[in-house]
Amino acid sequence: GQQVMQIPQYQHVQEGEDFTTYCNSSTTLSNIQWYKQRPGGHPVFLIQLVKSGEVKKQKRLTFQFGEAKKNSSLHITATQTTDVGTYFCAGSQQAGTALIFGKGTTLSVSS
Amino acid sequence: NAGVTQTPKFRVLKTGQSMTLLCAQDMNHEYMYWYRQDPGMGLRLIHYSVGEGTTAKGEVPDGYNVSRLKKQNFLLGLESAAPSQTSVYFCACRVNYGYTFGSGTRLTVV
Repeated sequence: GQQVMQIPQYQHVQEGEDFTTYCNSSTTLSNIQWYKQRPGGHPVFLIQLVKSGEVKKQKRLTFQFGEAKKNSSLHITATQTTDVGTYFCAGSQQAGTALIFGKGTTLSVSS
Repeated sequence: NAGVTQTPKFRVLKTGQSMTLLCAQDMNHEYMYWYRQDPGMGLRLIHYSVGEGTTAKGEVPDGYNVSRLKKQNFLLGLESAAPSQTSVYFCACRVNYGYTFGSGTRLTVV
C-alpha cells in the first residue's frame, strides 16, 4: 500500500538556524499536505500543494512539491522557539481519498 | 479545533473491557476520520466515513468498529480492549481540503 516517509525523525537546531524536513512517497500523489503539532496538542493544517513543482511560502516557511509529485519538503528560515513541534506531511493518491501521514519530524529549538 | 469535539479526553480501561469514543462536529461536513498516534509511528488511519451511513477501513482497522448513524457523529468502538490499543486517538473532519482535528483522547489499556 501507499507509504509516506519523512526524514529526519528528529532535528535540534539553535535559534536562528534553518531547518528542512523531507517527505517521500512510494507512489505518485494527487496532493500533499503539511501539518504542525505542538507538544501535547493536535495536528494543525498548514498548507496543501497540488501542482507538480509547486512552491508556496508562508512567512518563514517554504513548501515544495516535487516534479514527479512523489516528494515534498518544508524549509523554515531562521527558526524561532515558536517553531518547536512535530511536522507531518500527508498525501493521498487520489483527490478526496483519505490522507496517509508520514511519521513526522520533531523539531526542537534552543535559544 | 473549534467544531470537532472528542469525548472523553482521557480513559483507562482494563484488558477485555469495551468502550466507545465519540467525535462530534458542528460543521456539517461529510468526511470524518479516526487516527491513532503512537510514539515514533505518526498518525495511522483506523477507519473513515465519507457520509452518513457509510464507513470504510483504513490502515489499521483490526480491533475497532465504527458507526456514522448521524452526519454529525462518528463513533469509534473497542469491543475487547488490548494493551496494544493504548494510544492517543484523534478524530478529524475534512474542511475544504485540509483536515481539522479534535483535541484527542488518551486511552490506556492495562
